[in-house]
Amino acid sequence: DADVTQTPRNRITKTGKRIMLECSQTKGHDRMYWYRQDPGLGLRLIYYSFDVKDINKGEISDGYSVSRQAQAKFSLSLESAIPNQTALYFCATATGVLYNEQFFGPGTRLTVL
Amino acid sequence: LAKTTQPISMDSYEGQEVNITCSHNNIATNDYITWYQQFPSQGPRFIIQGYKTKVTNEVASLFIPADRKSSTLSLPRVSLSDTAVYYCLVVGTRDSNYQLIWGAGTKLIIKP
Repeated sequence: DADVTQTPRNRITKTGKRIMLECSQTKGHDRMYWYRQDPGLGLRLIYYSFDVKDINKGEISDGYSVSRQAQAKFSLSLESAIPNQTALYFCATATGVLYNEQFFGPGTRLTVL
Repeated sequence: LAKTTQPISMDSYEGQEVNITCSHNNIATNDYITWYQQFPSQGPRFIIQGYKTKVTNEVASLFIPADRKSSTLSLPRVSLSDTAVYYCLVVGTRDSNYQLIWGAGTKLIIKP
């Protein structure tokens, strides 16, 4: 089984709908991240969490919110989806020891019509 | 935070050594440099991480000059399966804020 899983893998929705993307990990890592990836722009950090009680905004948090339900679960919500949020979304985890070695999930392709 | 700049694309041939350079002119003292590989329809995968000088692991080497304003990922004897996008990442903190700045990626194509 994959160490970092994301659900759903693909989602098509309409403008104004609320969407939740979920991430689960079995690696036992404290640090979790949400990114979006757009063609030609690399990855941009949306939110990150260093433990269950710690949530921090990243580079592009506007229009997004997150919830860290447990060490293993980190959800990303789009309260009112808009077309320019169409992108590939990745969840990642990392230990606090190997500072920058992040382990990524398979991604969720979100399309907002 | 350091802005990371890397070539958009490169190509090479099987068996060659490939070097991909990333520029990060404004890197700070405590920032680390990391490289990831990404295949289509997959999440990025960690390759190597360094702070200064040279780091080597079983798949790659990372060269960082003394001024740390650039870094070079070296892939020895590439094969077709090394065709992927390679990302440079600089990680650090500014005013207690944790920041990760990814490069836009270098698409590496290996030819037979």
